[in-house]
Amino acid sequence: ENVLTQSPGTLSFSPGERATLSCRATQSVTSNYLAWYQQRPGQTPRLLIHGASTRATGIPDRFSGSGSGTDFTLTISRLEPEDFAVYYCQQYASLPYTFGQGTKLDIK
Amino acid sequence: EVQLVESGGGLVKPGGSLRLSCGGSGFSFSNYNMNWVRQAPGKGLEWVSSISSGNSYIYYEDSVKGRFTISRDNSKNSLYLQMNSLRAEDTAVYYCARLSGTGWFDPWGQGTLVTVSS
Repeated sequence: ENVLTQSPGTLSFSPGERATLSCRATQSVTSNYLAWYQQRPGQTPRLLIHGASTRATGIPDRFSGSGSGTDFTLTISRLEPEDFAVYYCQQYASLPYTFGQGTKLDIK
Repeated sequence: EVQLVESGGGLVKPGGSLRLSCGGSGFSFSNYNMNWVRQAPGKGLEWVSSISSGNSYIYYEDSVKGRFTISRDNSKNSLYLQMNSLRAEDTAVYYCARLSGTGWFDPWGQGTLVTVSS
């Protein structure tokens, strides 16, 4: 099983700041089959990024993904109030599909 | 609009059974692999099971093998999860999600809550 670790568990920022979230895998993620999801309180998860760096349809360009192998990053260039949520990474290269434990973005 | 709608959640006693359903609309349901993902209260996301578009391939997370059965009826645009021998640790919101492209999950349904408690 490819275990994904997101650290830290919580990050605090002010609106307008730049946020960088980390996701590290225990095994190399083949073909960069890594996705990022956003989950706002009480809402369903929403796809942000797939293939490590491709934004999903309708996702603002302030969201960007990068990385390869075992280290991946989600960057939010300028935080908007609606961006304060929990973010999960997920690998879909091998079964079982696995998610990171999530990083919560808090308002400072 | 592509939409997934789950139903069938509820309160069940340990050892009991429940059948979840997920209806798809706005896309060719029979062309897509489908998944169940769960989220325990206050916890993260956990993949549960996948089924291929034509029922050829079925996979389960280890803790539900032998207890849960995924199935689909493409004529009804529906996905199912039969859950038997339920345990307290199965308590979660269960989401169905379409497997898109090379394997990411999009979209997700709104979820249905399963509570296992005496």
